[in-house]
Amino acid sequence: ETGVTQSPTHLIKTRGQQVTLRCSSQSGHNTVSWYQQALGQGPQFIFQYYREEENGRGNFPPRFSGLQFPNYSSELNVNALELNDSALYLCASSLELGSQETQYFGPGTRLLVL
Amino acid sequence: GDSVTQMEGPVTLSEEAFLTINCTYTATGYPSLFWYVQYPGEGLQLLLKATKADDKGSNKGFEATYRKETTSFHLEKGSVQVSDSAVYFCALSDKGNNRLAFGKGNQVVVIP
Repeated sequence: ETGVTQSPTHLIKTRGQQVTLRCSSQSGHNTVSWYQQALGQGPQFIFQYYREEENGRGNFPPRFSGLQFPNYSSELNVNALELNDSALYLCASSLELGSQETQYFGPGTRLLVL
Repeated sequence: GDSVTQMEGPVTLSEEAFLTINCTYTATGYPSLFWYVQYPGEGLQLLLKATKADDKGSNKGFEATYRKETTSFHLEKGSVQVSDSAVYFCALSDKGNNRLAFGKGNQVVVIP
């Protein structure tokens, strides 16, 4: 069984640019969540997708957007990058919605904004 | 809103010592509680979970008990190994959704 994969592993961008991060969920999982983890901090919830629809959003501005595709893979897009967007971006998938469901995390994409 | 508080600061201890990491939570409902571990350069791995009051989660010698009366979910291990060196995160997800709210994490360093 393939776990959650993310690409790219590392990325360097400059302020004002746009970036797209990709996530392939674990086989059979229909729910994908994205988190931002700043250095030395716990992950912060960005948003979640369930069966291709957004299902909740954390305290992030609209320049953070996403998609989920019919195969349940997902993209995170960030426009007009700012320096404090530098972080590890984690994707997690779960079999279904529900607080008891375990979320399985990918290795993350480390974004550096210069 | 929902939140998780972990004890401040890194934890440094010798091999075979007893480990405790404190975690308390604030939630409007009855959340599920989780401990995740992050090894250097890697993503998060689920260590254990508990979904209702008085449940005990356990894995790899680690244990945590869901205490509703004290809103706590402290992580314990009786005898740590060097390979347990990592960052440990306490998290909750409230009923009705499975978005996770994380604590700030605790760096654990085990010295041989």
